Amino acid sequence: QVHLVQSGPEVKKPGSSVKVSCKASGGPFSSSTLSWVRQAPGLGLEWLGNITPLFARADYAQKFRGRLTFTTDEPTRTSYMELRSLTYEDTAVYYCATERLDRTTTYNWYDPWGQGTQVIVSS
Amino acid sequence: DVQMTQSPSSLSASVGDRVTITCRASQTISYFLNWYQQKPGRAPKVLIYATSTLQSGVSSRFSGSGSGTEFTLTITNLQAEDFATYYCQQTYRTPVTFGGGTKVDVK
Repeated sequence: QVHLVQSGPEVKKPGSSVKVSCKASGGPFSSSTLSWVRQAPGLGLEWLGNITPLFARADYAQKFRGRLTFTTDEPTRTSYMELRSLTYEDTAVYYCATERLDRTTTYNWYDPWGQGTQVIVSS
Repeated sequence: DVQMTQSPSSLSASVGDRVTITCRASQTISYFLNWYQQKPGRAPKVLIYATSTLQSGVSSRFSGSGSGTEFTLTITNLQAEDFATYYCQQTYRTPVTFGGGTKVDVK
């Protein structure tokens, strides 16, 4: 069973960067796709993108291209999300989630999720 | 992008009620539709994937149906632990998109 543990809360100034980690235990790591989703206060869920370590391939939501980077460190089974040029609108809880895949049908869903990392952008 | 529209955005219900939540996609997404439950301060948890497959360990009071552009989550015999916010998600095309959520609270 995969279990995801994320890094702690962050308070950042506008224009700075934040790097959130997501450590996986149990289950495969390299061949798994990890997705990142955020949730602004009182709002819904927004997909940031995903990364598959085995293929060294990341897919980013158009909205964040140019200021978002996903990386992975296989020895420590840790994935990272770095968001640059922060604005107040980036204040949100950031989640990582493992993408489960039915290889026969290609249906996919997110399970499990990390506990979330609160990022506050404040001057 | 595929827009996901959930309705209603909120509803009030009582224990024992049957609740139905609808999710509409702006274009066909086949059966690539998942449902999640989220409680305050917690991460979302998958209930149903591929439109109608119940996630292991999830109560059979939850069921899903639909195809193409219209999907439904039904909760029968609503229990106290079911008061939460529910989201649909399409994974047919990237960017993956979510519905705006339906908050189910106590009547």
